[in-house]
Amino acid sequence: GAVVSQHPSRVICKSGTSVKIECRSLDFQATTMFWYRQFPKQSLMLMATSNEGSKATYEQGVEKDKFLINHASLTLSTLTVTSAHPEDSSFYICSARDSNRDSTYEQYFGPGTRLTVT
Amino acid sequence: DAKTTQPTSMDCAEGRAANLPCNHSTISGNEYVYWYRQIHSQGPQYIIHGLKNNETNEMASLIITEDRKSSTLILPHATLRDTAVYYCIVNYSGGFKTIFGAGTRLFVKA
Repeated sequence: GAVVSQHPSRVICKSGTSVKIECRSLDFQATTMFWYRQFPKQSLMLMATSNEGSKATYEQGVEKDKFLINHASLTLSTLTVTSAHPEDSSFYICSARDSNRDSTYEQYFGPGTRLTVT
Repeated sequence: DAKTTQPTSMDCAEGRAANLPCNHSTISGNEYVYWYRQIHSQGPQYIIHGLKNNETNEMASLIITEDRKSSTLILPHATLRDTAVYYCIVNYSGGFKTIFGAGTRLFVKA
């Protein structure tokens, strides 16, 4: 089955620093990837849609200068949290669609990255 | 905004069928119904999806009413490992973004 990986799985960083999270589709190509954030006991909140070779589309209320998204290849998207603050501590999850499959097929989700900002 | 309504939580005895309802009264003709689940501290896992016909796979069955305004996910023999949050999502095909609602927290009890 299709696999999406994320790296790192857990990261602790100091306030004011930046941290990069990678999302890779391991056995398929993904023109479009999605980034979500999830706070404890809450549902997933879509942050942005990452498009290969073009700018990401951010959801309302998500600061694009704070959450930098790069989708440089068909198998890799990165999310960089810049100048992180404790309120950015969350579970970040990416997902991807297989570009070569029927468009009705499901999204594949990564295992998530837990970010803790101290 | 999510276009579905689900109960907040449900209990199910191990070995019994778990029937999870979902209302999607504003679904349009070309929107599919998708079900995902999320086990604690993991990424969501796809379960099943359908347009208007009932669907079955190795994990579950999906029953969609004739008017498509509601559906039921059936886990035929629930196990403790099925304890998770189950999300019912309606979505167009073609790479459109997936918006999650609150989901149903299913507790499978021994």
